[in-house]
Amino acid sequence: DGGITQSPKYLFRKEGQNVTLSCEQNLNHDAMYWYRQDPGQGLRLIYYSQIVNDFQKGDIAEGYSVSREKKESFPLTVTSAQKNPTAFYLCASRGQLAGGSYNEQFFGPGTRLTVL
Amino acid sequence: SQQGEEDPQALSIQEGENATMNCSYKTSINNLQWYRQNSGRGLVHLILIRSNEREKHSGRLRVTLDTSKKSSSLLITASRAADTASYFCATDDRDKIIFGKGTRLHILP
Repeated sequence: DGGITQSPKYLFRKEGQNVTLSCEQNLNHDAMYWYRQDPGQGLRLIYYSQIVNDFQKGDIAEGYSVSREKKESFPLTVTSAQKNPTAFYLCASRGQLAGGSYNEQFFGPGTRLTVL
Repeated sequence: SQQGEEDPQALSIQEGENATMNCSYKTSINNLQWYRQNSGRGLVHLILIRSNEREKHSGRLRVTLDTSKKSSSLLITASRAADTASYFCATDDRDKIIFGKGTRLHILP
């Protein structure tokens, strides 16, 4: 899982509560990403950040928020506005090559969030 | 947004056989990547093929790319039990990567 850590591994939340998922990387990557994965499905992009103090919405940003105060960290908050938050959440990062292109993404081990 | 679509959705083969998975995408690309995901884990990058390449090898993996058909294939030769996983193709959409829904590969003993 190469240099990216996510915590916790399992998270349980009561309806109406906000929860924050941690993602830290020591790969010196500029870009970081949050994905949601539902059972048997692919990855859907929630938010991404290409540089500190800047981030963009992905395809399913509603009910989520992020911050990027440090290069190494990109926490994701699942708010009470997210109607169906039970899912597997994956964080990823990637570095920029000379010339502006990017290399492959490196993924963390994931956090499984369950709403009770 | 453009997306790779893998085919088949699920594949079961006997250990030792070859496994082939296909990916189709919608618009022009700079590169196409393949990732593997073991159950309940993060994704692991397998191989990247650039738009000006037609074939690439890495160990038991062989990837082809046909930009005229907007398709790619991943071949795993001499499959092993440890190859049981989901496999995703991914394409660059400017500053982000778009993943398909994946092929679930099951290697039977």
